[in-house]
Amino acid sequence: ETGVTQSPTHLIKTRGQQVTLRCSSQSGHNTVSWYQQALGQGPQFIFQYYREEENGRGNFPPRFSGLQFPNYSSELNVNALELDDSALYLCASSLQVNTEAFFGQGTRLTVV
Amino acid sequence: TQLLEQSPQFLSIQEGENLTVYCNSSSVFSSLQWYRQEPGEGPVLLVTVVTGGEVKKLKRLTFQFGDARKDSSLHITAAQPGDTGLYLCAGEGGGGYQKVTFGIGTKLQVIP
Repeated sequence: ETGVTQSPTHLIKTRGQQVTLRCSSQSGHNTVSWYQQALGQGPQFIFQYYREEENGRGNFPPRFSGLQFPNYSSELNVNALELDDSALYLCASSLQVNTEAFFGQGTRLTVV
Repeated sequence: TQLLEQSPQFLSIQEGENLTVYCNSSSVFSSLQWYRQEPGEGPVLLVTVVTGGEVKKLKRLTFQFGDARKDSSLHITAAQPGDTGLYLCAGEGGGGYQKVTFGIGTKLQVIP
């Protein structure tokens, strides 16, 4: 059984640029959640996708957007990057909404 | 906004010692989870507690959910260097989607 995989593992972007992060969910999982974890902080919920539809959103501005594809993989897009967007971005997949979530290893984004 | 406070934030102990870390909130959660996260990795689920007063044991780890479902504790007996990591508690408030609120975490170091 393949676990949750995220790509890339590390990324450096310049302020104002746009970035796309990718997540392959665990086999059979139809729900994907994205989290932002700043250094020294716990993960903060960005949004969740269930069967290709957004199913809940945390307190993040609209420049954070996402997609879920028919194979349940997902993308997180961030426009107009700011220095404070530097963080570890975590993707978690689950079999259904409100079941155990399995996290990927994260993408470390640095905005300079 | 549901907030989870974890204490202590940092803990350094000798191998073989016992320790307890705490997770507190003014909000009621439908369930609470404990995760361990190692550097460069995503969080790994240790346990989920659902019922007020519930106690769960995982080898040397004992988890307790408060009667009012607002707080939890994690007790480790005879800590080992392999227990080193960031311990995160996360509460799920329900509401139809899996919005999980994480605490800031307790960074544990077990010295051989």
